[in-house]
Amino acid sequence: GIQVEQSPPDLILQEGANSTLRCNFSDSVNNLQWFHQNPWGQLINLFYIPSGTKQNGRLSATTVATERYSLLYISSSQTTDSGVYFCAVTTLKAAGNKLTFGGGTRVLVKP
Amino acid sequence: DAMVIQNPRYQVTQFGKPVTLSCSQTLNHNVMYWYQQKSSQAPKLLFHYYDKDFNNEADTPDNFQSRRPNTSFCFLDIRSPGLGDAAMYLCATSRRTSGTLNEQFFGPGTRLTVL
Repeated sequence: GIQVEQSPPDLILQEGANSTLRCNFSDSVNNLQWFHQNPWGQLINLFYIPSGTKQNGRLSATTVATERYSLLYISSSQTTDSGVYFCAVTTLKAAGNKLTFGGGTRVLVKP
Repeated sequence: DAMVIQNPRYQVTQFGKPVTLSCSQTLNHNVMYWYQQKSSQAPKLLFHYYDKDFNNEADTPDNFQSRRPNTSFCFLDIRSPGLGDAAMYLCATSRRTSGTLNEQFFGPGTRLTVL
């Protein structure tokens, strides 16, 4: 099946810093989502971005499907940005509706 | 607001005592999923319903069952919970149209403790 790798696994930021999270995937995809899992465990949808670039406030994401990677940018980080960021994909080749998750990037923003 | 709702948010059960977790949605999505997430791991798909069609993942234990009585509701039954089944259980929904799977939306999760 498709492999999804996220880097870095852990990230410590000072409040106000910018950062880039990366998601690499091993096959063609028809869906890519970025999630933020908050300390209570809820997965919050950040972006649905199978290709192209999107921005939402201080967050933006870019997916280059032909090169099989996606980037999530966090600008002017805040303590509320702490948590785990997951990238998840569905593949054109697999049957069914399965989202395959990467291992996540654990972000800690210090005040 | 349209949403995915899970009840209860926290569930404590005893080893071997059956437990049912519930999920409802107001999004009118035709696909509903159950994921299991253990500490410091990514969510793992257990099974999903595409309308009334049930799709089980190959490595989902027989101890886990699911029911979808109508479009809005889906249940996860754990017949004989073991200590290893303690986890966060996440319900998600999406709309599948013309073979294309659209964005998935997750509920807040149910954290299961097995004593």
